[in-house]
Amino acid sequence: GQQVMQIPQYQHVQEGEDFTTYCNSSTTLSNIQWYKQRPGGHPVFLIQLVKSGEVKKQKRLTFQFGEAKKNSSLHITATQTTDVGTYFCAGSKVYQLIWGAGTKLIIKP
Amino acid sequence: DAGVTQSPTHLIKTRGQQVTLRCSPISGHKSVSWYQQVLGQGPQFIFQYYEKEERGRGNFPDRFSARQFPNYSSELNVNALLLGDSALYLCASSPTGEGGYTFGSGTRLTVV
Repeated sequence: GQQVMQIPQYQHVQEGEDFTTYCNSSTTLSNIQWYKQRPGGHPVFLIQLVKSGEVKKQKRLTFQFGEAKKNSSLHITATQTTDVGTYFCAGSKVYQLIWGAGTKLIIKP
Repeated sequence: DAGVTQSPTHLIKTRGQQVTLRCSPISGHKSVSWYQQVLGQGPQFIFQYYEKEERGRGNFPDRFSARQFPNYSSELNVNALLLGDSALYLCASSPTGEGGYTFGSGTRLTVV
């Protein structure tokens, strides 16, 4: 079946450093969505990418969708303590989302 | 505006028991989806309902069932609970069942 792989599992950064998470699908995706889940919280929708090669920005966050629509990335510039949480990608399959395992962003003290 | 509301927030059940979880979507949203999230993993799709009809079912046993009411609220039922059913159960609503979803805070189910 369709799988969505996400790496790395964890990323430890100093505040102010950049963070990147990568997502790869075994099949072509119609679209990909990104969510953030704070510790003890629920997923919060960040963005949806639909077009091949699409790049979208939200302040310090940059989202990319690959040309083949099988991979995606999220890059955060100059991380802040408010960025802490787990970032999930999720590929659409008919009426369900197939989720990656998430990348946990940890800010080093 | 109220977001997606789920009840109860926490629940402890014994193996073999049955449980009903409830969800009220955002006003105007006709689609409700249910997901199971085990600690440390991404959510797993259970069901999607749109206009009271089941539009999708994930790879879960028949012990899991759901329904959607005329006011678009939804219930998820799980029979014959197993220890492995312990998880956070998330409800998500959207206007049409596509696009970005708004999640509720979830029901944390513990089976002992």
